[in-house]
Amino acid sequence: GENVEQHPSTLSVQEGDSAVIKCTYSDSASNYFPWYKQELGKGPQLIIDIRSNVGEKKDQRIAVTLNKTAKHFSLHITETQPEDSAVYFCAASRNRDDKIIFGKGTRLHILP
Amino acid sequence: DAGVIQSPRHEVTEMGQEVTLRCKPISGHNSLFWYRQTMMRGLELLIYFNNNVPIDDSGMPEDRFSAKMPNASFSTLKIQPSEPRDSAVYFCASSFGPNTGELFFGEGSRLTVL
Repeated sequence: GENVEQHPSTLSVQEGDSAVIKCTYSDSASNYFPWYKQELGKGPQLIIDIRSNVGEKKDQRIAVTLNKTAKHFSLHITETQPEDSAVYFCAASRNRDDKIIFGKGTRLHILP
Repeated sequence: DAGVIQSPRHEVTEMGQEVTLRCKPISGHNSLFWYRQTMMRGLELLIYFNNNVPIDDSGMPEDRFSAKMPNASFSTLKIQPSEPRDSAVYFCASSFGPNTGELFFGEGSRLTVL
């Protein structure tokens, strides 16, 4: 089955700087890659996703890149703000109605 | 819509007791997922349903765990008997179903087994 590896597990970034979280997946049939943000005491919430026919997608300060050959995908947050502090999960699935397998998460701290 | 509703939010119980976690998905959603979150293992998919039918329960750790979805608006996850290693946050999530992708999570049920 699918296995998603995520790193780093913890990341501290100065406010205003950029943050990058990286993931790899094992199943070459996976074609849908969402990213979720989990704030303290809450459930994860979708922030951006990308499908395998696209190499990059951007939404304001957030961007995702996908390298299907290398089975890598990354989340980039620019101009980080205090409210970006949270746990971020990458995930993968074969199609948008199949089970979604999550990485173990990255705890992002934005330092003042 | 109120979102996915889970109960209880917190449960403390003693080893050997039965635990029942409940979930009400978003109205109109056809898929329902149960996840378990721990520090060591992250978010693990336990089981998911499409149109009230269990599709994949390969993530259910052992026979002590069972899940049901008697109708489109209600699901339960039962642990009997509970063990300390079951302590975790259990999340329910729902989605519209095929070709939608986004999961809508509840706020979770934090289970502590003493």
